[in-house]
Amino acid sequence: DADVTQTPRNRITKTGKRIMLECSQTKGHDRMYWYRQDPGLGLRLIYYSFDVKDINKGEISDGYSVSRQAQAKFSLSLESAIPNQTALYFCATSEPRTGDETQYFGPGTRLLVL
Amino acid sequence: AQSVTQLDSQVPVFEEAPVELRCNYSSSVSVYLFWYVQYPNQGLQLLLKYLSGSTLVESINGFEAEFNKSQTSFHLRKPSVHISDTAEYFCAVSLGDKLSFGAGTTVTVRA
Repeated sequence: DADVTQTPRNRITKTGKRIMLECSQTKGHDRMYWYRQDPGLGLRLIYYSFDVKDINKGEISDGYSVSRQAQAKFSLSLESAIPNQTALYFCATSEPRTGDETQYFGPGTRLLVL
Repeated sequence: AQSVTQLDSQVPVFEEAPVELRCNYSSSVSVYLFWYVQYPNQGLQLLLKYLSGSTLVESINGFEAEFNKSQTSFHLRKPSVHISDTAEYFCAVSLGDKLSFGAGTTVTVRA
């Protein structure tokens, strides 16, 4: 089984709708991240969380919110979706206590906002 | 602040030819460096990383990258590519608790 899972894998929604993307991990890592990928722009950080009580904005947090329900779960919400939020979204985890900053990625959620 | 520049957005290459993907970063302090690969319709996988020690790091599938501190570069190379190396490659730099990614380089291997 995959260590980092994301649901749904694909989603089509309409402008103005609220949508939630979910991420779960079995790696036991404290840190979790949400990125979006757009062609030619690489990955940009939306939010990140160091533990359940510590959530931080990334470089493009406007229009998004997150919830860290447990160490293993980190959800991303679009309160009112707009077409320019159409993108590929990735969740990632890391555990710096290992002495390593490697991040481990989920398979991604492809979101289309009409 | 730090930024990552991947100098080539598209690299077409013939099978069994060598390939080099260039990555430069800007940072005034020590960093960790990574290359990730994204195969079509998949997530990102770690290809290799530099944390400390030897400046030449290798992956299990024949890629290597060399950390050059004076030129702030971490170029990725493979002496002979396969069709299965067709993918998008991302360079990333870590400073503290976050990664900064380059825009990506798409490698297309042709027979």
